[in-house]
Amino acid sequence: EIVLTQSPGTLSLSPGDRATLSCRASESLSSSYLAWYQQKPGQAPKLLIYGASSRATGIPDRFSGSGYGTDFTLTINRLAPEDFAVYYCHQYRYSPRYTFGQGTKVEIK
Amino acid sequence: QITLKESGPTLVRPTQTLTLTCSFSGFSLTTTGVGVGWIRQPPGKALECLALIYGDDDKQYSPSLKSRLTVTKDTSKNQVILTMTNMDPLDTATYFCAHRQTLGGLIVVPFDYWGQGILVTVSS
Repeated sequence: EIVLTQSPGTLSLSPGDRATLSCRASESLSSSYLAWYQQKPGQAPKLLIYGASSRATGIPDRFSGSGYGTDFTLTINRLAPEDFAVYYCHQYRYSPRYTFGQGTKVEIK
Repeated sequence: QITLKESGPTLVRPTQTLTLTCSFSGFSLTTTGVGVGWIRQPPGKALECLALIYGDDDKQYSPSLKSRLTVTKDTSKNQVILTMTNMDPLDTATYFCAHRQTLGGLIVVPFDYWGQGILVTVSS
């Protein structure tokens, strides 16, 4: 099974800051079958990025994804108050062994 | 507009079988490349993908839970049903269903629409 390791576990930032979240895969995801989700308490995850760098419908352009192979990054420019949440990466390269990372919490400093 | 909603029991006893239904609208589960997945999340923990079913009736299961899971679809009712046997307190979690699609036959868009989730507690 592919293990996704997210870092850091918690990111303490202020509104307006830039957030940089990392996701490392234990094996190459080759054609960038990597997605990012945002989850707020009591809510379902929300798809932000798929294919490592494609924004999902309606996602603001302050969210961007990059990376290839085993190392991927989610960047959130100019953090808005509504961006404080938990973020998960998800690999969907190897069916049926789809996996999620353990999450990075972005909290208000 | 795509929507999904989970329904089923919120409390099950250990060793019982859990049956959850995902009722959806706004898409057809007969379309090639379209799928519905089940994902769960224990309280305070990360997400785990359980099963997927596609429009062509292809079914995929988490290898670690495959012996306990069955996923089926009823296209006339726009529903996907998940059964999980031999429930254990460790299976206590919020269970989500979610839509997945392939654009142009090539680009996979994973889990772009989700249900609200249903918290299932396993306890005697």
